[in-house]
Amino acid sequence: AQTVTQSQPEMSVQEAETVTLSCTYDTSESDYYLFWYKQPPSRQMILVIRQEAYKQQNATENRFSVNFQKAAKSFSLKISDSQLGDAAMYFCAYRSLQTSGSRLTFGEGTQLTVNP
Amino acid sequence: KAGVTQTPRYLIKTRGQQVTLSCSPISGHRSVSWYQQTPGQGLQFLFEYFSETQRNKGNFPGRFSGRQFSNSRSEMNVSTLELGDSALYLCASSLGFSGYTFGSGTRLTVV
Repeated sequence: AQTVTQSQPEMSVQEAETVTLSCTYDTSESDYYLFWYKQPPSRQMILVIRQEAYKQQNATENRFSVNFQKAAKSFSLKISDSQLGDAAMYFCAYRSLQTSGSRLTFGEGTQLTVNP
Repeated sequence: KAGVTQTPRYLIKTRGQQVTLSCSPISGHRSVSWYQQTPGQGLQFLFEYFSETQRNKGNFPGRFSGRQFSNSRSEMNVSTLELGDSALYLCASSLGFSGYTFGSGTRLTVV
C-alpha cells in the first residue's frame, strides 16, 4: 500500500516571501499522479497543482510550483510571493494509475500561516 | 458550472442512530468518492462509486455504506452511529485521472 508523509505539521511565512512544503511518498508503482490540495477554514479541498509521474518537467501554476524527484519519492510544493489568502492546511495526495478506481491517499497535512 | 454539492452542511445525531449524507457531483462526472476527515486519523478513503457501482472500498466497517443513482448523485449511510464517527465527510467527483473536485463537506457530530 502507498503511504504519503508530510513531516512539517506547521509552517509559517512572511507575506511576499517564499515557502516550501515537503512531501514524501512510498510506492512500488511507476505510474501515478501526485497532487497538492489546499483546505482553508471553509473546509473545501481546493486543487492547487497536479503532477503526472511520467512527466519529468515540474508542474507550475502561477505562484505555485513543485519539485518532483521521482527516484527520491519526493514532491515538495513551493509557494512564491506568499499572500494572506494562501493561509490554509495543505495536503499532499497520491493516486495510483495501476489500480482501478479513484482513490487518493493523503498525507497528514501542513498548516501554513502567512504573517502580514 | 456548479460545483460538488453536499447536504446537509452540519448534522448532530445521537449514538445508535443512523444518518444519510448526500453528494451531487459536477454535471458529467460519473465517479463519486467519499472521505472521512478527523483530527486523529486525517483523511481516509471510504468508497468510490462509478456508474452506480461501487468500484473501490476503504477499510471501514460495514456500518458505512453508500450508493449512487442513475444521475450520479451519491448517498452514504452510517448506521448505529458511534461517538468516533464524528467527522467531516467529504465527497469528491471526477471525470478521469487528472483531478478531483471536492464539496464543502458535511460536519457530523455524534453525541
